[in-house]
Amino acid sequence: SQQGEEDPQALSIQEGENATMNCSYKTSINNLQWYRQNSGRGLVHLILIRSNEREKHSGRLRVTLDTSKKSSSLLITASRAADTASYFCATGIGSYIPTFGRGTSLIVHP
Amino acid sequence: GAVVSQHPSWVICKSGTSVKIECRSLDFQATTMFWYRQFPKQSLMLMATSNEGSKATYEQGVEKDKFLINHASLTLSTLTVTSAHPEDSSFYICSARAGAAGNSPLHFGNGTRLTVT
Repeated sequence: SQQGEEDPQALSIQEGENATMNCSYKTSINNLQWYRQNSGRGLVHLILIRSNEREKHSGRLRVTLDTSKKSSSLLITASRAADTASYFCATGIGSYIPTFGRGTSLIVHP
Repeated sequence: GAVVSQHPSWVICKSGTSVKIECRSLDFQATTMFWYRQFPKQSLMLMATSNEGSKATYEQGVEKDKFLINHASLTLSTLTVTSAHPEDSSFYICSARAGAAGNSPLHFGNGTRLTVT
């Protein structure tokens, strides 16, 4: 298993602004996944990007993957107060035992 | 689709008692489920990988006799915290994978908040 590390640890923005968070990892991967966790809840899968993809979109979410730098970014455009949550990336190879970093805590002020 | 139901949502128990947490995949079969523990403002710590019909694989440092995992069917895994103590108080989350390893996302339950008094 391997762990993705997110940064920044915390991010505070105003509604309507864009939010960018990053994930770094250490070894080769099959794919990288982003999840959201609302306070006191389980995680919700947001988007999966495969190692042969460089960019992927889903609604207001844009994920990039740079395998040469072993990093990924998650961009949330036109943020809303409801986007307030913690965001985690998960990485793995082979049998894919999913492990997570500490996450980025995003606060969107209305 | 791909809903995971975790029960109970929260439980308060006395020190020394055992608590069972259930994790069910409602609309898919999960040969593998994962159990995590999360402390406030911390990451999810993988405790064990639960495989249907076989023994769970525990992560280093996790006491298998303390945290009993049973995965008796393709839709149900249970975690029993035996002889619970206040230090076991935490947020426990299960997840399951609907498809084959490598390109399938995880689907999470909503977690169980355990408080041991």
